[in-house]
Amino acid sequence: QVQLVESGGGVVQPGRSLRLSCAASGFAFNSDAMHWVRQAPGKGLEWVAFISYDGSNKYYADSVKGRFTVSRDDSKNTLYLQMNSLRPEDTAMYYCARQTGNFILDYWGQGTLVTVSS
Amino acid sequence: AVQMTQSPSSLSASVGDRVTITCRASQYIRNDLGWYQQKPGKAPKVLIFAASSLQSGVPSRFSGSGSGTDFTLTISTLQPEDLATYYCLQDYSYPWTFGQGTRVEIK
Repeated sequence: QVQLVESGGGVVQPGRSLRLSCAASGFAFNSDAMHWVRQAPGKGLEWVAFISYDGSNKYYADSVKGRFTVSRDDSKNTLYLQMNSLRPEDTAMYYCARQTGNFILDYWGQGTLVTVSS
Repeated sequence: AVQMTQSPSSLSASVGDRVTITCRASQYIRNDLGWYQQKPGKAPKVLIFAASSLQSGVPSRFSGSGSGTDFTLTISTLQPEDLATYYCLQDYSYPWTFGQGTRVEIK
């Protein structure tokens, strides 16, 4: 069965960096585009980033552009989100999600919590 | 970026009621819209894609309609397990954008 497991969250000071990972299993990871979505505590969902199945296309929310980088390692079936220059407003649960051919986010991980605080 | 305006922000309804949630896009997005349900403490789950197509395994009481800029999610007969927050998501252009969410409570 399809599984997505995020890791790498934690407490980090403003201005510092953190790298999130999303380990995928149960499907052909190298055939599917992937997304990151976040949710600040008690708030709504915010789309963060996209990477195409082959890594050739990447898109970002304006709020993270220039600070976050999405990447993938198909040999490890793992998606990454490198987060630099972190701000308190980046505090959120971060989810990875798989995109199907119908542009559906059909499988989601359980999320990893990032807290940016001094 | 396309702005998605969702309403209402919350509603309370009784079991068996018909519930309607709307989403309006700030520009034309064809029918490139999905609806997601998020139960407390859980990851979101897709209900509807391409504005009106029911995702496999989703109960038929959920339906979607609309195209262009105005979209609707309808729950025909509200059930206790429908307690959740519902979000629209446009996938017409990057950056994708969610609506603000509608919290559905059961009276």
